Amino acid sequence: DAKTTQPPSMDCAEGRAANLPCNHSTISGNEYVYWYRQIHSQGPQYIIHGLKNNETNEMASLIITEDRKSSTLILPHATLRDTAVYYCIVRVHGSGNTGKLIFGQGTTLQVKP
Amino acid sequence: NAGVTQTPKFQVLKTGQSMTLQCAQDMNHNSMYWYRQDPGMGLRLIYYSASEGTTDKGEVPNGYNVSRLNKREFSLRLESAAPSQTSVYFCASSVGAGNTIYFGEGSWLTVV
Repeated sequence: DAKTTQPPSMDCAEGRAANLPCNHSTISGNEYVYWYRQIHSQGPQYIIHGLKNNETNEMASLIITEDRKSSTLILPHATLRDTAVYYCIVRVHGSGNTGKLIFGQGTTLQVKP
Repeated sequence: NAGVTQTPKFQVLKTGQSMTLQCAQDMNHNSMYWYRQDPGMGLRLIYYSASEGTTDKGEVPNGYNVSRLNKREFSLRLESAAPSQTSVYFCASSVGAGNTIYFGEGSWLTVV
């Protein structure tokens, strides 16, 4: 079973920030938080990941709470092309472990004009 | 740099037929994965290979076999296709544990 909980759907106005929450209350110390998105049944696209510090790249920012039990993906200026299903995933890190991903149901983000 | 390449992209099978989905990555990754995605569902892990020569079952391995042919290639075989195996199949790879996983574009399989 997936170890994350996400709202099934969210709306966001174009040009505004999209904040996608994720709960992972049973996360272990060696588990990373990963975010992917999937557009129109294309292959999932990697967005960002982190362990405990906040992370930022050209696509998004990831805010992880201090207790690591939840996180928020932030798309700073959402565009219509950001409409997709967003998956929050926790993934084991460590030698000898493949770190396989277990996908949940994700959040469908609809960016509206 | 092609990344993760899957073939075929589309396939229609009759119940009971067999087929192999091919996957190759050119990123020198150690780990490779096969997922399936049913309509309106998230991805479910079928099998994975931590490194060349090793394979392990994921969430939904029944009805499938895999082969890690070499470091680059990881194939998924349906020995006797069933309508319940109608799905989109994604291959993926990563350097190793804790590293980013990259996905192919998917293979659409219909079993009639």
